[in-house]
Amino acid sequence: KQEVTQIPAALSVPEGENLVLNCSFTDSAIYNLQWFRQDPGKGLTSLLLIQSSQREQTSGRLNASLDKSSGRSTLYIAASQPGDSATYLCAGSYGGSQGNLIFGKGTKLSVKP
Amino acid sequence: NAGVTQTPKFRVLKTGQSMTLLCAQDMNHEYMYWYRQDPGMGLRLIHYSVGEGTTAKGEVPDGYNVSRLKKQNFLLGLESAAPSQTSVYFCASRSTVRTEAFFGQGTRLTVV
Repeated sequence: KQEVTQIPAALSVPEGENLVLNCSFTDSAIYNLQWFRQDPGKGLTSLLLIQSSQREQTSGRLNASLDKSSGRSTLYIAASQPGDSATYLCAGSYGGSQGNLIFGKGTKLSVKP
Repeated sequence: NAGVTQTPKFRVLKTGQSMTLLCAQDMNHEYMYWYRQDPGMGLRLIHYSVGEGTTAKGEVPDGYNVSRLKKQNFLLGLESAAPSQTSVYFCASRSTVRTEAFFGQGTRLTVV
């Protein structure tokens, strides 16, 4: 069964710290992995998409990596800010007729001023 | 560019009532999805569509029906609402399974 896991469920860091969020997946036949941000009561905002052929993607202070062989992806946030506080979700995309996104349950990040 | 738009944003239903949630996308995407998000359960796929005129069941389809008569719209129906359907519903779309998925802002549904 295809599963995506995110540990820890919650993380609190002081402002300015660099941090890493983890995502692991059971099926290495992944097409791509997408990281999302969700603010309380809001929808999902796409942050980064990494294709299976790629190792890294960068956008501003965010850097996402993908290692298919180990079944892991990480989201690195540099110089964290209170505005980065949100829940971060990762989702793996697989083939088949439905092309579904398999979601982890998220990591709730709190950046303290 | 509106992206993915969900209507309504909030709704309270009484048990047994029916309603339809509308998802509209303006990106000419083939794939559209309906998810529900519940505390501790994450996002679960209800139904999906791989193109106009097609629909299929996801992980938790019971109690819901869908239609995709036009490529840009994906409707989710509740024929007889139950308290267990209290949830936040998200619609998503993407061009192919290898491309970025975009989500709507969600519909918060409460069934009393």
